[in-house]
Amino acid sequence: ETGVTQTPRHLVMGMTNKKSLKCEQHLGHNAMYWYKQSAKKPLELMFVYSLEERVENNSVPSRFSPECPNSSHLFLHLHTLQPEDSALYLCASSRQLQGGSYNEQFFGPGTRLTVL
Amino acid sequence: GEDVEQSLFLSVREGDSSVINCTYTDSSSTYLYWYKQEPGAGLQLLTYIFSNMDMKQDQRLTVLLNKKDKHLSLRIADTQTGDSAIYFCAAGKRGGYNKLIFGAGTRLAVHP
Repeated sequence: ETGVTQTPRHLVMGMTNKKSLKCEQHLGHNAMYWYKQSAKKPLELMFVYSLEERVENNSVPSRFSPECPNSSHLFLHLHTLQPEDSALYLCASSRQLQGGSYNEQFFGPGTRLTVL
Repeated sequence: GEDVEQSLFLSVREGDSSVINCTYTDSSSTYLYWYKQEPGAGLQLLTYIFSNMDMKQDQRLTVLLNKKDKHLSLRIADTQTGDSAIYFCAAGKRGGYNKLIFGAGTRLAVHP
């Protein structure tokens, strides 16, 4: 699936570094999501942007800062992370619809983050 | 709160049928999904079922929904080694953006 791309695919960073994860969707969607997937927990929804506005922030620490400059791009800015933040970070997108229509989420391949 | 539960592991012989089970707590869920994740990859939607249906079949895949018990299952007929992956059950609601609640995933191992 190349509709949702994520870069980089792998990232190793120290606890004092600042880095950013990038997600881009080519599907004409207007809702984008960040998930965290770790060995200890199932998929955790972190942030949701709908029509470029943040509509959900699930008690995520402030060391994670999302940015959605337009409906095709989503960033996750990282600073002063902890080793327990090491995980696979998945981006997804979907169409926001009125009423009860079905709207599938399409996932990117993820960024494997390791914090040393 | 909303929760989705799955068994963590399933091992089957190649050619047999696999059945992966899932339970969810939110009775207002309108769509139930099955996603597949292969090593090093993101999640790929396999199939979904609307809450007013009790069965959906798509080639080797059969989804059964018991809305009363809030139980969902995915049956894979003639399981192949290429089916080895993690399968996630997810529950969502209609309209707006699509907030999904995922289970922990069931790791399916297919052996000869």
